[in-house]
Amino acid sequence: DQQVKQNSPSLSVQEGRISILNCDYTNSMFDYFLWYKKYPAEGPTFLISISSIKDKNEDGRFTVFLNKSAKHLSLHIVPSQPGDSAVYFCAASETGGSYIPTFGRGTSLIVHP
Amino acid sequence: DGGITQSPKYLFRKEGQNVTLSCEQNLNHDAMYWYRQDPGQGLRLIYYSQIVNDFQKGDIAEGYSVSREKKESFPLTVTSAQKNPTAFYLCASNLRGSYNEQFFGPGTRLTVL
Repeated sequence: DQQVKQNSPSLSVQEGRISILNCDYTNSMFDYFLWYKKYPAEGPTFLISISSIKDKNEDGRFTVFLNKSAKHLSLHIVPSQPGDSAVYFCAASETGGSYIPTFGRGTSLIVHP
Repeated sequence: DGGITQSPKYLFRKEGQNVTLSCEQNLNHDAMYWYRQDPGQGLRLIYYSQIVNDFQKGDIAEGYSVSREKKESFPLTVTSAQKNPTAFYLCASNLRGSYNEQFFGPGTRLTVL
């Protein structure tokens, strides 16, 4: 039973436009969320995170939005660049647990020049 | 400079043989993790260790074993009992007991022939 779901396996976007990657979760105890970026044959790298006390966190071209009532978060990349082409993983963890994140299956983003 | 290393990058083994994957970090992190990545499956937790000489099973521990004799090292053995060992294996580390993001190694691609 997937607790963190990324329902779009892939997304294709034109360079300069906005990329929106979505993530849904089922465990209401999750209160911290992270996004990782992964290139082929490499390890993931941390991109951005958000605590459940916030509904938005921004870092340069990357913004994460959290809708707790809908158990939904999204990653916005504006403007998208070809170098953003990668697999993006959403992860969630909970206070009082082991802090070990649960990962989604990832969304492959392709940004066309 | 600090980081987390995995060796080798590619590994081939015959069916029925045990194989050990190396993971070393010099980030002074307490916690270390092993994940397995299969196409379309995201990152699944095999084992984790939050302190030396202690480790816990993750979601898919069957057929794997680990040790944590040193803070810097967390080797993973893929045993002959693992039914489908061909996969991309990722090691990660972070500070224990917090929401700190995980730092990942470059991964080891294991192919069992």
